[in-house]
Amino acid sequence: DIQMTQSPSTLSASEGDRVTITCRASQTIRSWVAWYQQKPGKAPKFLIYKASSLGSGVPSRFSGSGSGTEFTLTISSLQPDDFATYYCQQYTSYPYTFGQGTKLEIK
Amino acid sequence: EVQLLESGGGLVHPGGSLGLSCTASGFIFSNYAMTWVRQAPGKGLEWVSSIDGSGTGTYYAASVKGRFTISRDNSKNTLYLQMNSLRAEDTALYYCAKDTSNNGWFDPWGQGTLVTVSS
Repeated sequence: DIQMTQSPSTLSASEGDRVTITCRASQTIRSWVAWYQQKPGKAPKFLIYKASSLGSGVPSRFSGSGSGTEFTLTISSLQPDDFATYYCQQYTSYPYTFGQGTKLEIK
Repeated sequence: EVQLLESGGGLVHPGGSLGLSCTASGFIFSNYAMTWVRQAPGKGLEWVSSIDGSGTGTYYAASVKGRFTISRDNSKNTLYLQMNSLRAEDTALYYCAKDTSNNGWFDPWGQGTLVTVSS
């Protein structure tokens, strides 16, 4: 199985900050990575597919990059609504796997 | 608007069975693969199972293979997950999700249904 490892596990930041979350795959997955946002008590919300393609309606302050084994999710200027937990997911092959999550907290 | 509504969760004893349903609306259900993802209390997301649009292709996580069965009824726009031989570690919130482009990413997700396995 392909392991997805996110770092950091927790990130403290302030409104307006630029933040980056990293996701590393245990083997190459080309660009087959998606990112999701989850708020407490809510279902995950899709953000990005194919490493860097923004989902419909997702604010442009979110961006993704990477290929092969290393991927990043960047939020260019944090808004209050962005404090949540973020997950990466590989879909190059079954079993699909998620990273363990990165909790973005208010500093 | 695409909507997914899960049902069927509840409390079950270890070794017991439970069936989940996910009713879909707002899209041509038979055109899309569907997926179940679960989240144990306070934990991360775990992919459980997927099924293609026709229902002929099914895929499972190793942790549930042989115990869970995914299926769908395209005439009823409904996805199912039959869970047998349940264990305490199957306790989780179970989400159904639409495979947006039949490529492996999921959007949207339902609100989830809670399965608790306990004696």
